[in-house]
Amino acid sequence: KQEVTQIPAALSVPEGENLVLNCSFTDSAIYNLQWFRQDPGKGLTSLLLIQSSQREQTSGRLNASLDKSSGRSTLYIAASQPGDSATYLCAVEDTNAGKSTFGDGTTLTVKP
Amino acid sequence: DGGITQSPKYLFRKEGQNVTLSCEQNLNHDAMYWYRQDPGQGLRLIYYSQIVNDFQKGDIAEGYSVSREKKESFPLTVTSAQKNPTAFYLCASSMRRSDTQYFGPGTRLTVL
Repeated sequence: KQEVTQIPAALSVPEGENLVLNCSFTDSAIYNLQWFRQDPGKGLTSLLLIQSSQREQTSGRLNASLDKSSGRSTLYIAASQPGDSATYLCAVEDTNAGKSTFGDGTTLTVKP
Repeated sequence: DGGITQSPKYLFRKEGQNVTLSCEQNLNHDAMYWYRQDPGQGLRLIYYSQIVNDFQKGDIAEGYSVSREKKESFPLTVTSAQKNPTAFYLCASSMRRSDTQYFGPGTRLTVL
């Protein structure tokens, strides 16, 4: 059974700092990996989707990488801003099941 | 204005009652999903549907039921058999299986 772990559970940084969020998964037979943002009490917003054949995806200040063989993905946020404060979740879709397994998320606080 | 809507935003249920959560999308997506989120945790898949009149159980389907009679609608019923239904429920859709998932704003269900 796929297990997805996100460490740390919470992270606090000063504004302007570059930071990395981590996501690890136990079964490398994945179809894709997706990073989401969730604001308190709200639904999820998709940030980046990486197909299993890809190594990374970029959108603005965000860059996500994928290393299937080691079961790891990172989300890099450049020049962090207070508006980046949210919970970030990664989700892995298994090759066969057609369903996603989510990590518990990393709650990011960017202090002005 | 395309998107996913969920209603109601808040729902209160007495023990022993069945309740139905609504999810509608006008994105012309084939696949739809129901997730449950408990405080401080990631999402767990309840049911998913890849096509009209077809759906599959997710990881925690016991005590829940769904229907998919129309492409745009995927209602979730929380039955009295669900022992601990208090949670945040999120509906999502994607064009096809394994595409980017788009989420609704969620329904917070509380059992009194």
